[in-house]
Amino acid sequence: DADVTQTPRNRITKTGKRIMLECSQTKGHDRMYWYRQDPGLGLRLIYYSFDVKDINKGEISDGYSVSRQAQAKFSLSLESAIPNQTALYFCATSDPRGIRGYTFGSGTRLTVV
Amino acid sequence: ELKVEQNPLFLSMQEGKNYTIYCNYSTTSDRLYWYRQDPGKSLESLFVLLSNGAVKQEGRLMASLDTKARLSTLHITAAVHDLSATYFCAVVQGAQKLVFGQGTRLTINP
Repeated sequence: DADVTQTPRNRITKTGKRIMLECSQTKGHDRMYWYRQDPGLGLRLIYYSFDVKDINKGEISDGYSVSRQAQAKFSLSLESAIPNQTALYFCATSDPRGIRGYTFGSGTRLTVV
Repeated sequence: ELKVEQNPLFLSMQEGKNYTIYCNYSTTSDRLYWYRQDPGKSLESLFVLLSNGAVKQEGRLMASLDTKARLSTLHITAAVHDLSATYFCAVVQGAQKLVFGQGTRLTINP
């Protein structure tokens, strides 16, 4: 099994719909992250969580919300999807100092029509 | 605000040649990461550089970090087609937030 599992892998949804992207990890790390990737822009941080009770906004959090249900689970929601949220979304986890690096999931390709 | 810039953004090279990708960042950080991404795939960790002067090598790839110059390099030796991918550097800002460069799309031609 993958260290970081994202579901779904692909999703097409309509404008205005609510959608949830799920992430679970087996690394045992407290720190989890959601990133968005658009062509030519690298990855940008949406939200991050350092433990179950600690959730923080990243640089592009508008239009998104998150829930940290357990140490191993971190979900990203789009309350009312819009077309410019079409992107590739990655979940990641890390040890406290990043000494062993950041482990990324396989990604969710989201298309909003 | 931390900014991370890679160059070149696109690189087409022939097999057997050597080349270097540069990653500059704007504020102090002592941790830098290199990732590889194949089209439509996840990010694969290549190197974790944790101190000034760190140098790591894996196969035909070698990465180094100069924290004083705020510069990291990814050097490719005797390129082969299998190394075609997009390469990202990422730098830690503050409390563990990774900031990514734009990526370098590398194409290696026979």
